[in-house]
Amino acid sequence: GAVVSQHPSRVICKSGTSVKIECRSLDFQATTMFWYRQFPKQSLMLMATSNEGSKATYEQGVEKDKFLINHASLTLSTLTVTSAHPEDSSFYICSALRGIRTDTQYFGPGTRLTVL
Amino acid sequence: AQTVTQSQPEMSVQEAETVTLSCTYDTSENNYYLFWYKQPPSRQMILVIRQEAYKQQNATENRFSVNFQKAAKSFSLKISDSQLGDTAMYFCALPRAAGNKLTFGGGTRVLVKP
Repeated sequence: GAVVSQHPSRVICKSGTSVKIECRSLDFQATTMFWYRQFPKQSLMLMATSNEGSKATYEQGVEKDKFLINHASLTLSTLTVTSAHPEDSSFYICSALRGIRTDTQYFGPGTRLTVL
Repeated sequence: AQTVTQSQPEMSVQEAETVTLSCTYDTSENNYYLFWYKQPPSRQMILVIRQEAYKQQNATENRFSVNFQKAAKSFSLKISDSQLGDTAMYFCALPRAAGNKLTFGGGTRVLVKP
């Protein structure tokens, strides 16, 4: 299989606090993981590419100081939303590339973030 | 820049019938992959089918098949013998040449009616 997990599945936080979301590849090693954001009834928007052992690369318009990404091991990437505000409320999805020379992304189940 | 276009925002189909979802794309690459992903109400993205552009044979996975027309840059998905569990958003996706980043289409919502 190619299973990717995310934790937590739902989180509610107060404005100004930070929230960490974990993405794990359970049965394979992933040198590259991706973080997406999805608004209701819309497609997925790529936020950043997470590479094991190196800095993440962010898409244009995504604040790297706002969305901190750490890919410390071959099976774990984390996304931290710092000083969250209501406009950060969204559905966040991670995916992982299985292998090095590969093309298929396997997705986690997503995390719904609500900032009050 | 790559683009992926899904021209049908919503489609409905009777159970056991067939439905075809369209996808057109633009890329300057010659060798690439194309994907269809399904996102049911649970919002878990599930890989449905994958096509390699250098292969002329259309990919098939059980009730799901594609019609890949490379020259026309068209990649449609056919769902045969539709089941209630096929109700979902379907996204067509194309990786960028560098970094395997996916470009997604806008999605097609499929409703299978009993």
